[in-house]
Amino acid sequence: DAGVTQSPTHLIKTRGQHVTLRCSPISGHKSVSWYQQVLGQGPQFIFQYYEKEERGRGNFPDRFSARQFPNYSSELNVNALLLGDSALYLCASSFLTGTGSYGYTFGSGTRLTVV
Amino acid sequence: QKEVEQNSGPLSVPEGAIASLNCTYSDRVSQSFFWYRQYSGKSPELIMSIYSNGDKEDGRFTAQLNKASQYVSLLIRDSQPSDSATYLCAVNYNGANNLFFGTGTRLTVIP
Repeated sequence: DAGVTQSPTHLIKTRGQHVTLRCSPISGHKSVSWYQQVLGQGPQFIFQYYEKEERGRGNFPDRFSARQFPNYSSELNVNALLLGDSALYLCASSFLTGTGSYGYTFGSGTRLTVV
Repeated sequence: QKEVEQNSGPLSVPEGAIASLNCTYSDRVSQSFFWYRQYSGKSPELIMSIYSNGDKEDGRFTAQLNKASQYVSLLIRDSQPSDSATYLCAVNYNGANNLFFGTGTRLTVIP
């Protein structure tokens, strides 16, 4: 079975641009969560979606948005990119909303560099 | 107060020694606790989970949870150079749909 897949793996954008990151969860998993990891820090929660509905939002500005599709894949969108948005963006999938007893399985991440 | 705190290290241990990694968390009702290993440039990988007070062993890894003192620790026995990585502590608090991560402790195992 394929794990959590994310695309693209690396991305370079200019300040002010928009970016879309994509994630496909493990087959059968209905929940997708997005995390941002700045170099030297732990992952910070951005969003969680379950059955296409937003179930949680972290402390990020409105420039960050996401959605989940009927096949449970998800997109994270970031508008008006800032240098500080440079980070590793991680997608995690789980069977149920929340973490329950499973923890998360993370994808390999998208490394975003804003110049 | 930060939700989850870890000593950022670096922590260096000789090969074959026991590595001890510690984590404290804030005074909230907590449910689940996790240790992730993250190699440089890679994504976090779940290595241990623990939910009740006491010890949980899995191979060379032992997780210890003490809810009264609000700490969780990870012991790595017979440390190997391949254990060199950053170890992230994560906590799920009741009512939250997400994990709170510490900043991670960088471990180096010296051959």
